Amino acid sequence: AQSVTQLDSQVPVFEEAPVELRCNYSSSVSVYLFWYVQYPNQGLQLLLKYLSGSTLVKGINGFEAEFNKSQTSFHLRKPSVHISDTAEYFCAVTGSGYSTLTFGKGTMLLVSP
Amino acid sequence: EAGVVQSPRYKIIEKKQPVAFWCNPISGHNTLYWYRQNLGQGPELLIRYENEEAVDDSQLPKDRFSAERLKGVDSTLKIQPAELGDSAVYLCASSLRTSGTDTQYFGPGTRLTVL
Repeated sequence: AQSVTQLDSQVPVFEEAPVELRCNYSSSVSVYLFWYVQYPNQGLQLLLKYLSGSTLVKGINGFEAEFNKSQTSFHLRKPSVHISDTAEYFCAVTGSGYSTLTFGKGTMLLVSP
Repeated sequence: EAGVVQSPRYKIIEKKQPVAFWCNPISGHNTLYWYRQNLGQGPELLIRYENEEAVDDSQLPKDRFSAERLKGVDSTLKIQPAELGDSAVYLCASSLRTSGTDTQYFGPGTRLTVL
């Protein structure tokens, strides 16, 4: 069984400040990890993914995430956020031999001027 | 490249009425997923197709939900009859599954409101 915990339901931050959205997972098999973003009334857009190799993964819109196997974490970071980054962010996990993505409950990033 | 297309985008019905959602995946993608996203939650898988075959429908409430993917391309998800608790966003995703894991691409979703 797999599960994902997103530790913060909301993260308020000022424009141009750095941000970290936290994600912890549990899985009994090797994992593949994803971050998706969902803007209001839209579907999910892939930000980045970790499949193997380097533990630091760079994605679109200046986001990056680091896979930490010992801490079972995959936190999402951005050094300087924009108003347009305001959205819901979902962490998801799947495992070797699985197709089903298990999502966290999401973190709402609120960027204010 | 066109993304995953879903229709309608919004649907409001009264309880006990039937409703259907349509999804056209990205061209060439062999795997299609239907998810349900309740308010304030992440998406949860309802059913997964590989080509025409439903390979994982363990979370689909089969007493009222049905799905089909004729010819292994587009798909329809139906609810009959709808209940108040079915109000949610229904997301379709597709992927090209070869080996290892695949990356799923999502459509904009259909927001269903059951009154």
